[in-house]
Amino acid sequence: AQTVTQSQPEMSVQEAETVTLSCTYDTSESNYYLFWYKQPPSRQMILVIRQEAYKQQNATENRFSVNFQKAAKSFSLKISDSQLGDTAMYFCAFMKQSSNTGKLIFGQGTTLQVKP
Amino acid sequence: DVKVTQSSRYLVKRTGEKVFLECVQDMDHENMFWYRQDPGLGLRLIYFSYDVKMKEKGDIPEGYSVSREKKERFSLILESASTNQTSMYLCASSPWDRSYNEQFFGPGTRLTVL
Repeated sequence: AQTVTQSQPEMSVQEAETVTLSCTYDTSESNYYLFWYKQPPSRQMILVIRQEAYKQQNATENRFSVNFQKAAKSFSLKISDSQLGDTAMYFCAFMKQSSNTGKLIFGQGTTLQVKP
Repeated sequence: DVKVTQSSRYLVKRTGEKVFLECVQDMDHENMFWYRQDPGLGLRLIYFSYDVKMKEKGDIPEGYSVSREKKERFSLILESASTNQTSMYLCASSPWDRSYNEQFFGPGTRLTVL
């Protein structure tokens, strides 16, 4: 069975600074996808960034980037130039590439507070 | 614009009541999911459906059932609500095409069982 672990329940960062959220996972699969989802206060969860395990290059989406270490089973999210709108709960998630239904396995979540 | 809606944002029910949570998506997605979100536990999958009238148990199906009579609608049913089912419930949908494997979430229903 796959598991996803986020060991930082809460984090804070000053506006305009950089913060890194940690995620580790456990799987025996070789091919899979990893995701970071963002859940702003009282708003819908949205996808921030995704990574295919077969790709060595780390995914980047504007101010968001990942550090994907396949051997270490680590998948951290870096947010550069943090903005107040980045305040949210962030979830790391795993999906087997062989999944027929797109079933996701989520971590416990990290609440990020961006301070002015 | 893609959209997943849930019938209620907040719901208060009494122990033993039958509770229906409704989810509707307008993206013609084959897959639909019901999650439960609790502090410190993240999102846990209750049930999912990959086609009309098709369903599979997730990780925590006990005490829940689901119904999918139409492609766009996926209902979660608590046959006899209990206090330990007080939680945030999230619905999501995704297309069958796994090359585009993003899940789209509804706003959530915060259910309190008294």
